Amino acid sequence: QKEVEQNSGPLSVPEGAIASLNCTYSDRGSQSFFWYRQYSGKSPELIMFIYSNGDKEDGRFTAQLNKASQYVSLLIRDSQPSDSATYLCAVKGWAGSYQLTFGKGTKLSVIP
Amino acid sequence: NAGVTQTPKFQVLKTGQSMTLQCAQDMNHNSMYWYRQDPGMGLRLIYYSASEGTTDKGEVPNGYNVSRLNKREFSLRLESAAPSQTSVYFCASSETTGGSYEQYFGPGTRLTVT
Repeated sequence: QKEVEQNSGPLSVPEGAIASLNCTYSDRGSQSFFWYRQYSGKSPELIMFIYSNGDKEDGRFTAQLNKASQYVSLLIRDSQPSDSATYLCAVKGWAGSYQLTFGKGTKLSVIP
Repeated sequence: NAGVTQTPKFQVLKTGQSMTLQCAQDMNHNSMYWYRQDPGMGLRLIYYSASEGTTDKGEVPNGYNVSRLNKREFSLRLESAAPSQTSVYFCASSETTGGSYEQYFGPGTRLTVT
């Protein structure tokens, strides 16, 4: 059973701070990793994805992947109140699989 | 370019009634998916279609059927609705031929079964 674990939160950070969201996964063969943002009552929206060990930056967002330790993280720099949402981590398994396994999400609250 | 669209947005059914949720994508993606999202349970895959003409069960397929009508459209049918099927249903699509497999979601259908 593939599992993706996230701290449910809520994670509260002050405006302008760095928010750090973490995700661990059980399937060592996992190949691709995705972060989605979901506002209350809305659908998940892709923020970014990462395949290789290390960091990937896109604007204020940085995804970090460590396959040996089986974790992936998302850093949000200069957090804004508009970043307040639930962040979902998703993992794609082995090469022939199309399915993503989603974590239950971490609720982030950015306090003005 | 509308992305992924779903109809209806809201629906209330009585136990035992049937309905079909419609999904369409205009991104020329090969694969399409149906998820349900319940509080505390996260997103769970109901069925998926890797390509036109194929469908496969996901994690929670019981009580549902699907049809991949063509490359653009993927419908989800509840033959005899039960209160346990009260949920938010999301359709998603992705490119899986040489792509990066990221999925794009529709706006969702909020279904209540009384």
